[in-house]
Amino acid sequence: AQKITQTQPGMFVQEKEAVTLDCTYDTSDQSYGLFWYKQPSSGEMIFLIYQGSYDEQNATEGRYSLNFQKARKSANLVISASQLGDSAMYFCAMREGFSGNTPLVFGKGTRLSVIA
Amino acid sequence: ETGVTQTPRHLVMGMTNKKSLKCEQHLGHNAMYWYKQSAKKPLELMFVYSLEERVENNSVPSRFSPECPNSSHLFLHLHTLQPEDSALYLCASSLAGTGDEKLFFGSGTQLSVL
Repeated sequence: AQKITQTQPGMFVQEKEAVTLDCTYDTSDQSYGLFWYKQPSSGEMIFLIYQGSYDEQNATEGRYSLNFQKARKSANLVISASQLGDSAMYFCAMREGFSGNTPLVFGKGTRLSVIA
Repeated sequence: ETGVTQTPRHLVMGMTNKKSLKCEQHLGHNAMYWYKQSAKKPLELMFVYSLEERVENNSVPSRFSPECPNSSHLFLHLHTLQPEDSALYLCASSLAGTGDEKLFFGSGTQLSVL
């Protein structure tokens, strides 16, 4: 079974609008972390935001926020005021437990295109 | 200078060649990783060197061989590859042992096997 599911292969958004990228996860662990990464065409994966399973508040980092719904096992990324430079692939990822050797598992990604 | 540097950026090799990918991190991290990114597939973790332990994905073929001489350098040695090994190979590093451990990635090596 997939640990991370991103159901939107591609998304379009108008510049300056907000967009939500979906992510659901599957784990039986109580302790886990959720991450979002951005991959522009240059190839580098850029860390955006982190949410711990015990964090009560939704994580925010500038224009990025994570809509964490634990009971639904969803961790959607919200990008506010989209910019042309936001066009990229976006990957949701999860680490189960807090051990240093537990690998990060990625979803298949969503390609976001921001149009002027 | 970026935190994680990968060379070369592009590599074309024949199936009988031997080549190596190099990764260097300047972040003081103690864990390094190789990921494979193929079209329309999730990132696949190949190898981890964390806290001086090597952890690997048992599904990775033996034609891929990692080497981590110290905490700052990581290599991926390639020999007798197949065309299906063509992909983007990403190196990453992290500070292992923290709950919110973030991976920092290099820009990748785009590998084409002919």
